Amino acid sequence: NAGVMQNPRHLVRRRGQEARLRCSPMKGHSHVYWYRQLPEEGLKFMVYLQKENIIDESGMPKERFSAEFPKEGPSILRIQQVVRGDSAAYFCATYRGEQETQYFGPGTRLLVL
Amino acid sequence: EDQVTQSPEALRLQEGESSSLNCSYTVSGLRGLFWYRQDPGKGPEFLFTLYSAGEEKEKERLKATLTKKESFLHITAPKPEDSATYLCAVVNAGNNRKLIWGLGTSLAVNP
Repeated sequence: NAGVMQNPRHLVRRRGQEARLRCSPMKGHSHVYWYRQLPEEGLKFMVYLQKENIIDESGMPKERFSAEFPKEGPSILRIQQVVRGDSAAYFCATYRGEQETQYFGPGTRLLVL
Repeated sequence: EDQVTQSPEALRLQEGESSSLNCSYTVSGLRGLFWYRQDPGKGPEFLFTLYSAGEEKEKERLKATLTKKESFLHITAPKPEDSATYLCAVVNAGNNRKLIWGLGTSLAVNP
């Protein structure tokens, strides 16, 4: 998917554990969006980050979820104390500042047992 | 509230049988409308961006059009490899470019 990398591709956690999802943008892209896709539901916006800044986190649950995009390294979506309802596919998308098009990674499929 | 509705939910075509997918939207100041294709187990793959009513874009067997209320994705003489879920999304002016999605149309093309 156009060079956006996500890892791991699949992640299994037990209830109460932590999940860390990573997203490496395409070269030259400094804007990262995270979306969640629940079974039988559409994609939903979670958070928008630029390097070292959270721009919009209006779609992210207030509890247990956090995101960062450090100066160096990938963007990370962190889910603490996972519950079964967190089971979903999590996608990141990136774009360059002057372009509208967001390019997506392959996603991380989280399964909470 | 911004909203995107896609129809039909599912569509089954014979190879070579042309059809159209619909995306109706309600948005406060359209900044752009996007079409993506998603295969099972993969991320959305970008197809088209449309910015203003009357605009059209084409790519191989696909053609996307835009009016003030809806967009169509026309598929001409589809092949089995066109089978996928087609997703429509919009961005409104001033919402940090976050994509607002429809639920998609699942297309199956039989040989």
